[in-house]
Parts: sequence; C-alpha cells; structure tokens
Amino acid sequence: DTGVSQDPRHKITKRGQNVTFRCDPISEHNRLYWYRQTLGQGPEFLTYFQNEAQLEKSRLLSDRFSAERPKGSFSTLEIQRTEQGDSAMYLCASSEGQGMNTEAFFGQGTRLTVV
Amino acid sequence: AQSVAQPEDQVNVAEGNPLTVKCTYSVSGNPYLFWYVQYPNRGLQFLLKYITGDNLVKGSYGFEAEFNKSQTSFHLKKPSALVSDSALYFCAVRDDAGNMLTFGGGTRLMVKP
Repeated sequence: DTGVSQDPRHKITKRGQNVTFRCDPISEHNRLYWYRQTLGQGPEFLTYFQNEAQLEKSRLLSDRFSAERPKGSFSTLEIQRTEQGDSAMYLCASSEGQGMNTEAFFGQGTRLTVV
Repeated sequence: AQSVAQPEDQVNVAEGNPLTVKCTYSVSGNPYLFWYVQYPNRGLQFLLKYITGDNLVKGSYGFEAEFNKSQTSFHLKKPSALVSDSALYFCAVRDDAGNMLTFGGGTRLMVKP
C-alpha cells in the first residue's frame, strides 16, 4: 500500500497522559499536514510541513501539542497532558509540490479517546 | 480568512435519481476547490478539484462539480445516485498561498434503494 499510513488507528488514554501519533506520507510528497476532526464536523487544520520545516501552525495547536518531521519523511504529533477535549480523529495528509492545484491525500486517521 | 459553507447537513435521494450536494465558499484571490468523500471509519478520499478552465469538472465514481464564480458555489452532482454513494461529503477551498485546505462542515448523503 503506497498511501498515507497512520499509527495507531485507535488510542485510548487517561487524562493527563502523553500520547504520540505517527504519520508516514506518500514517499515522493514533500508536504505533510495534520488535521483534527471531531464528530459531525469537518477537518480542522492544525499544522503543515514543507519537507522538514514546519511552516504554519493553527491557533488550535496549543502549547500541549507539538509536531515534528525530522528528516522530511514521517511525522509525529505529540499531545502532552491530554484533556477530554482532545478526543477526536487526527488526520494526516500529504501532497506533492508547492502548488495550490495539488490535492492532498489523507490517511485513515488516529482516533483518540481521552477518559 | 477563507471559509466554506455546506448548508445541508443531510441530503436524501432515491437510487437512480440525480443528486446535488451544495457548497459555497469565501476566499480572497483565486479559489482552488476540492471535494472529498468519507466512508465510516475511513480517511477522506479525493473526488475532484477545480483549479481553472472549464466550470464543469469531472471526477471519480461518476461525480462532477460545477464552479460558479458569481455565486461563489461549487456544487457536487451525479446524474444517477447509487446506494454505495451514501457517505459524508466535504467541500474544501485552498487560497492563493496554497498552504492549507479549509473544509466545510460536511453533508451526509443518504441514497435509498
């Protein structure tokens, strides 16, 4: 499978714990995005990378959230001191080039439940 | 700031009938518009996009969308719906900077036999 892959698919954690998600983009794609989707809502932009550089972060990305893409390939999203409001589907997407006309391809997401 | 509105939470249509899922957008500069579909417990799948050129764009699975600049709309259409088209549909817009996609709230399409 050469699509975007995310791991784990599901994560249940206790409030206050830290969690880390991984995304492996399509190999030739230099852009990588993280989105969050809550039930019944559209995906909300969190952050994106151009190669290894994190170029934009949403105001939704509080200090407890950090994302990395150290070698311009896979990316990790870490949430520290999780809160119940962090429960959501976290989606990763990748696209090639820098243009406005390239579509993003999404992974199947990581569903986080904070109890 | 860019935004997308999908005014219908749900659209119901009988199998074999035409379907339309509505989308309007607001963006500074030229709009780059996309439709995605999401099946249960799955990620978003790309359907089609409008970048420039013909206002009628054809995409996957027989879907098409019509770009209307004066009405700032990009409605998704299909001439004959299938039960398997039942899913959640998202419209999205990207601005000239091309940095991120902004999604609408989604429309659930229910196709009944």
